[in-house]
Amino acid sequence: EVQLLESGGGLVQTGGSLRLSCVASGFTFGSYAMSWVRQAPGKGLEWVSAISGSGANTFYAGSVKGRFTTSRDNYLKTLYLQMNSLTVEDTAVYYCAKDDFYAVVNFDCWGQGTLVTVSS
Amino acid sequence: QSVLTQPPSVSAAPGQKVSISCSGSSSDIGNNFVSWYQQLPGTAPKLLIYDDNKRPSVIPDRFSGSKSATSATLGISGLQTGDEADYYCGTWHSSLGAGVFGGGTKLTVL
Repeated sequence: EVQLLESGGGLVQTGGSLRLSCVASGFTFGSYAMSWVRQAPGKGLEWVSAISGSGANTFYAGSVKGRFTTSRDNYLKTLYLQMNSLTVEDTAVYYCAKDDFYAVVNFDCWGQGTLVTVSS
Repeated sequence: QSVLTQPPSVSAAPGQKVSISCSGSSSDIGNNFVSWYQQLPGTAPKLLIYDDNKRPSVIPDRFSGSKSATSATLGISGLQTGDEADYYCGTWHSSLGAGVFGGGTKLTVL
């Protein structure tokens, strides 16, 4: 069974940092691009970042570029999201999602989400 | 404001059919595959349609997808109360080099 399990969310102050993790199981992790998608309270889905299967290529939404870094460890089957210079607008549930071979927004598996709350 | 445009809400009676539109541009829908997601309250999104019109094996054929030029449509037939959820379209935006979603459509089954 394909599964994704996020962790690392929590409460952080404005300007702080947090690192999210997403552990994958049930598929050949390194063969698939992975993405982070977030959802602010009561709002819609917002694509945040993607990374190719090898990790060589990363992509970011304009709202997080320069502050967030996505990486992966294919041996540990783990996806990471390093979030720096956090603002209250980053408060959201963060989901990791399994994409296709390429990053094309074809998310056939999602994690349960981890809540990040940024307080001022 | 989302790159892809969806109606905020749609409604229909049980057993009826509803269509949800998703409008974009040549940089996104016009040159990339579209996917659709269902999000039930308090849960993670679930893939309903990928590559414009393909269904994962676990998704019933009441759900269908289509695309024409820079717009895509999700169709849901034989509506059930359990279909009440938020629905999102998504695709890749070639110029931005980023993924994009629609703002979401809340389906109410009256």
